[in-house]
Amino acid sequence: SAVISQKPSRDICQRGTSLTIQCQVDSQVTMMFWYRQQPGQSLTLIATANQGSEATYESGFVIDKFPISRPNLTFSTLTVSNMSPEDSSIYLCSVQGTGTGELFFGEGSRLTVL
Amino acid sequence: KQEVTQIPAALSVPEGENLVLNCSFTDSAIYNLQWFRQDPGKGLTSLLLIQSSQREQTSGRLNASLDKSSGRSTLYIAASQPGDSATYLCAVDTGRRALTFGSGTRLQVQP
Repeated sequence: SAVISQKPSRDICQRGTSLTIQCQVDSQVTMMFWYRQQPGQSLTLIATANQGSEATYESGFVIDKFPISRPNLTFSTLTVSNMSPEDSSIYLCSVQGTGTGELFFGEGSRLTVL
Repeated sequence: KQEVTQIPAALSVPEGENLVLNCSFTDSAIYNLQWFRQDPGKGLTSLLLIQSSQREQTSGRLNASLDKSSGRSTLYIAASQPGDSATYLCAVDTGRRALTFGSGTRLQVQP
């Protein structure tokens, strides 16, 4: 398994500001994933982040809105830029465990935009 | 495009009942299928992972089956307890290592 820590766990932000979410893993992993869970909805993949290369974004998500950094094999950040109330969601970081393909998730970062 | 559906959307049962949660997916070319549990406001806890070559996996009171050809999986919970109350999510990996999720089944076990 993998232990994933996310910061902040929750935050309340003003419209038009940006917030950076951090994800720290207790082991080196090749691929990290960022998901969004809007209120009452299931999870949607935002992007896949590999160390040393640009993140790959899913349809409907763009780098200008959700820039991602992946400076090493244990850490990644997701920034939510120019926030609006529609960005209020839980943002979750995920990594794949070694061998089985099982995915593990952090506790999530609950973002409320006023 | 892979789509994952979970039925029922919500379920309320008395403590001690055995229950079955259903998951279906449209593209049978999957790498694996995973069941998760999510408590309100929390992240996801992995319950069971079934590889595409497997038929079922068991962990304690949980048993998950996979019928890839028909695009179906079930999660069986034996002797349900109030602590089992949560949302249960099914997700498939089509080989990209990223998951496509169903909308979940919200389970309430009444004491």
